[in-house]
Amino acid sequence: NAGVMQNPRHLVRRRGQEARLRCSPMKGHSHVYWYRQLPEEGLKFMVYLQKENIIDESGMPKERFSAEFPKEGPSILRIQQVVRGDSAAYFCASSPTKNSPLHFGNGTRLTVT
Amino acid sequence: TQLLEQSPQFLSIQEGENLTVYCNSSSVFSSLQWYRQEPGEGPVLLVTVVTGGEVKKLKRLTFQFGDARKDSSLHITAAQPGDTGLYLCAGEVVGSSNTGKLIFGQGTTLQVKP
Repeated sequence: NAGVMQNPRHLVRRRGQEARLRCSPMKGHSHVYWYRQLPEEGLKFMVYLQKENIIDESGMPKERFSAEFPKEGPSILRIQQVVRGDSAAYFCASSPTKNSPLHFGNGTRLTVT
Repeated sequence: TQLLEQSPQFLSIQEGENLTVYCNSSSVFSSLQWYRQEPGEGPVLLVTVVTGGEVKKLKRLTFQFGDARKDSSLHITAAQPGDTGLYLCAGEVVGSSNTGKLIFGQGTTLQVKP
C-alpha cells in the first residue's frame, strides 16, 4: 500500500513533553495537510504545506505547535510542552496539486497523561 | 461557529432501511466531498460534487449537491451492516484562500443493525 503513511500510530506523552508526528505523503504528492480530530467530531484544519514552505497555518495554535515539510523526508508536526487538551487524533493528508482530492493517512492518536 | 452542519449526528437503523444525511451551510462551496471513516482509520473519499444540482450515484449511495452549492445530501438505499461508519462532508468555501483547505462537518455516525 503506497498510501499516506503516518507514524507512530499511537503516542503517549506526559504533560510537558514533546510530541513529534511524522507523515510521508503518497509518491508524487507535494502538498501536505494536517488535521486534528477530537472524539465524535469532524476534522479541523491545522496547516497546509508544500515542499519546504508553509502555505496556510491559520488553523494552528500560535504557541507550542509547529510544522515542517523538508525537501527530503517526511512532514513533521511538532507539539512542544504537551497538555491534556492536545490529546486527539492527528491526520495527515496529501494531494498532487492543491485542488485535488485529499488522501488521508490512518492518523496518530496522541494521548497526554 | 460550524460552517458545515451535518444532520443527524447519530443514526441507528435496521438493515434494509433507507436513510438520508444532510450537510448544510450558509456559505457557497466550490466543491463538496463526502468521506467515510472507519474506527482507527483515516477518512476515505467517496465522491466529489462540483456543479450545483449535480447528482452522483455510487452503488446504493446517491449524492446530491444543492443548486446554490450551499448544501448536499447523501442517501443510502437498503442499508447494510457494512455501511456502518462515520460519514463526513467537507468542502472549500468560495472566496477562501484557494489552498485546497477543506472545512469538515462534524460527521454523522451511522449504525446499521442486522
